[in-house]
Amino acid sequence: DAKTTQPTSMDCAEGRAANLPCNHSTISGNEYVYWYRQIHSQGPQYIIHGLKNNETNEMASLIITEDRKSSTLILPHATLRDTAVYYCIVRVRSGAGSYQLTFGKGTKLSVIP
Amino acid sequence: NAGVTQTPKFQVLKTGQSMTLQCAQDMNHEYMSWYRQDPGMGLRLIHYSVGAGITDQGEVPNGYNVSRSTTEDFPLRLLSAAPSQTSVYFCASSQGASGANVLTFGAGSRLTVL
Repeated sequence: DAKTTQPTSMDCAEGRAANLPCNHSTISGNEYVYWYRQIHSQGPQYIIHGLKNNETNEMASLIITEDRKSSTLILPHATLRDTAVYYCIVRVRSGAGSYQLTFGKGTKLSVIP
Repeated sequence: NAGVTQTPKFQVLKTGQSMTLQCAQDMNHEYMSWYRQDPGMGLRLIHYSVGAGITDQGEVPNGYNVSRSTTEDFPLRLLSAAPSQTSVYFCASSQGASGANVLTFGAGSRLTVL
């Protein structure tokens, strides 16, 4: 089962910041939060990940609350090409000692001209 | 740098036929995995491997076999295809299996079983 909760869909005006929320209240101390997006049926594209601290890269920023129970992905200036399904994922430790990505249904972000 | 390459991109099978979906990566990644995605759903883990000669089951392993004889390749075998296996299949790899390692996905293989 996915360990995250996201809104089903969101709209954002082109050129504005898109803020995508995610709840992960059962996250463990050594589990990372990942964000991927998927455009149509293409392969998921990595955006950003973090453990405790806020992170920023050329695509987005990730804000993680101090208690780590929720996070927000920020796309600073959304474009039409950012229209996609965005997945917030906690990489969970499995029985074999590795960490697996468990996908939920994600948030469908529509960027409006 | 090709990344993760999946073949074929599209395949149609009849019920009971067998086939192999190929996955190859050129990044010297130790960890590889297979996911399936059904319409309107997120991805579900089928099998994964933490290195050559080591494989394990994911969330939905029934009806699929895997092997990992080399670091580069991780084929997914359907021994007797069923309509319920109609899906889009994604292969992914990462440097290691720890939580900090970023997974890179292939472009997907769309399978239809009639």
